[in-house]
Amino acid sequence: DTEVTQTPKHLVMGMTNKKSLKCEQHMGHRAMYWYKQKAKKPPELMFVYSYEKLSINESVPSRFSPECPNSSLLNLHLHALQPEDSALYLCASSLHGQVSGEQYFGPGTRLTVT
Amino acid sequence: GNSVTQMEGPVTLSEEAFLTINCTYTATGYPSLFWYVQYPGEGLQLLLKATKADDKGSNKGFEATYRKETTPFHLEKGSVQVSDSAVYFCALYNYGQNFVFGPGTRLSVLP
Repeated sequence: DTEVTQTPKHLVMGMTNKKSLKCEQHMGHRAMYWYKQKAKKPPELMFVYSYEKLSINESVPSRFSPECPNSSLLNLHLHALQPEDSALYLCASSLHGQVSGEQYFGPGTRLTVT
Repeated sequence: GNSVTQMEGPVTLSEEAFLTINCTYTATGYPSLFWYVQYPGEGLQLLLKATKADDKGSNKGFEATYRKETTPFHLEKGSVQVSDSAVYFCALYNYGQNFVFGPGTRLSVLP
């Protein structure tokens, strides 16, 4: 199994809703990442988990809350989002626990905040 | 700090044309270099990498060479296909520092 899966594929939520994005990999990778990608822009790093512990938080607002329940799963909990948070959210993983340039990306969740 | 610059797109080519997408970077030391590709509606895929000077990364007919003396890491392909239409991101990673993407270059290949 050499892929990263993400669910849901699309999500529409209101500004008062609470929702979660899910990411899963079964490659034995020990680092997992969340990125936000706006249209026609490169991905922007949000969080990195190394060995299931949060190692990097790129000053992301607290309305985004990451969670790594085990080495294969990564969640992103969303609460009280703003319309400008609408974007493609990408999950990625890499083999070793430290940040790596060789990352495997999921297909993303396209989020629309209304 | 580390940064990556790419040629502005979009780049439009006819099928079987030669492709070059320019990328230059600024970094301390000798970073690892990457090209990622994002097909429409998908996530990113690692296309090729070069981790040290004189490395040539290659995959699916694409090539890029890590030259020690200069900082370009241009992506080339001898004959593009319609299926190569995508956005291409140049990127670098320095050990112990963050991973940096370039702004991306959109390629459209016409039949």
